[in-house]
Amino acid sequence: AQRVTQPEKLLSVFKGAPVELKCNYSYSGSPELFWYVQYSRQRLQLLLRHISRESIKGFTADLNKGETSFHLKKPFAQEEDSAMYYCALGNNYGGATNKLIFGTGTLLAVQP
Amino acid sequence: NAGVTQTPKFRVLKTGQSMTLLCAQDMNHEYMYWYRQDPGMGLRLIHYSVGEGTTAKGEVPDGYNVSRLKKQNFLLGLESAAPSQTSVYFCASTPGQGWGVENNEQFFGPGTRLTVL
Repeated sequence: AQRVTQPEKLLSVFKGAPVELKCNYSYSGSPELFWYVQYSRQRLQLLLRHISRESIKGFTADLNKGETSFHLKKPFAQEEDSAMYYCALGNNYGGATNKLIFGTGTLLAVQP
Repeated sequence: NAGVTQTPKFRVLKTGQSMTLLCAQDMNHEYMYWYRQDPGMGLRLIHYSVGEGTTAKGEVPDGYNVSRLKKQNFLLGLESAAPSQTSVYFCASTPGQGWGVENNEQFFGPGTRLTVL
C-alpha cells in the first residue's frame, strides 16, 4: 500500500540551528515525492520536488530509495521558516490521475 | 490570474443541513481535487475529477458528493452535514496527465473552514 509517514508532529529548533524534517514512504513503483508548505493562515504551496533537484529557500531534499526516505533539510533555520510541512507521494508515471498521498505533516517552530 | 478560489471562506452548519462548496480555477486545468484537512491526519482526498463531466472517489468520500459540470468549477456537496465533517476543506487543481514535472504540481485554494454543530 502507498503510504507517507512523517514521524514528528512538531519540531522546535532555535534560529540558526540545522533542520531535518523526516519523511518515509512506501511505494512499489518509481515514486514522485514532493514537499508542500503551509504558512500560518495561507494556502498550501509547493516547496520542492525530488525530480527537480532544486533548492528552495535554502531547503533541499534527497530521495533515498534504499531507505525509502525523502527528508527535508536546511542548514540554518530562520524564523520565517515556521510553518506546517507536508511530504507527499505522487504516482504519475503512466498514471492518469496525478493524485497525491500526503503525510500527516510536521509543524516546524523556529524560536528566536 | 486568480488561481484557485473557494467559496465560502467560513461556514457554520447545524447537523442535518446541506451546503455546497464551490471551487473555481482560471488556469484551464484538467484535474481538480477536494481534500479535507484535520489535525494529526494531514490532507485526505475526498473526491477528484480528471475532466469536465467526470468524478471519482478518493480516500474519504462518504457523506460527500461532487459535480464537475464546467471545466473551471468543481463543487463539493454535503447533503446532510454531521459533526464529523467539521474540517478545513481545500480544493486543488493540476494541469493534467503528463510525463513532465510541470504537469503534476497541485495548486491549492485558500480553504473553507466548516463547522458542523
